[in-house]
Amino acid sequence: ETGVTQSPTHLIKTRGQQVTLRCSSQSGHNTVSWYQQALGQGPQFIFQYYREEENGRGNFPPRFSGLQFPNYSSELNVNALELDDSALYLCASSTGGFDGYTFGSGTRLTVV
Amino acid sequence: GQNIDQPTEMTATEGAIVQINCTYQTSGFNGLFWYQQHAGEAPTFLSYNVLDGLEEKGRFSSFLSRSKGYSYLLLKELQMKDSASYLCAVRERAGSYQLTFGKGTKLSVIP
Repeated sequence: ETGVTQSPTHLIKTRGQQVTLRCSSQSGHNTVSWYQQALGQGPQFIFQYYREEENGRGNFPPRFSGLQFPNYSSELNVNALELDDSALYLCASSTGGFDGYTFGSGTRLTVV
Repeated sequence: GQNIDQPTEMTATEGAIVQINCTYQTSGFNGLFWYQQHAGEAPTFLSYNVLDGLEEKGRFSSFLSRSKGYSYLLLKELQMKDSASYLCAVRERAGSYQLTFGKGTKLSVIP
């Protein structure tokens, strides 16, 4: 299987709710990272997982959490949603090489 | 602190050459990446520089000067499909896949 698949593509949630976003990594990719991209901005690093362990985190509060599974798929969970959480959430995976990530098409989250 | 600057918008004519600049100030440096992002789509990898100099890949070239904290992406023979946002990103630590991105440059190619 090739490519990085994210689901759902679009989502609308109410402030205070919780959301789970999913990512299916490209075959053979053991490193996955999540990014938040607000409109008109560059992606901001949330955290990274390597072999099911978090091994890097950006400047995001603990209500942003994640999981990576043995098949290298992963989840991003956000609790107590705030209006400012409205953004495009990108999953990116890598084999560990230097040539950058393969990004998924993202999940567009709108918090109302 | 971390700071990556690139122009917000640029316009260029089909068939022409355009240079998109990126300056960075980061606590560490272990490589600079350029990505292309069409509206509503995933960023796609264009180039990677870790040593000073020019990397050429078809119509796209990327240059890096580590002493100046400066890079540029050069697009030749512009095509309408090159209209997109171009993102400059720095990896600060070896072994990490955390990238710090600039805000992106929206390039419009006109006939």
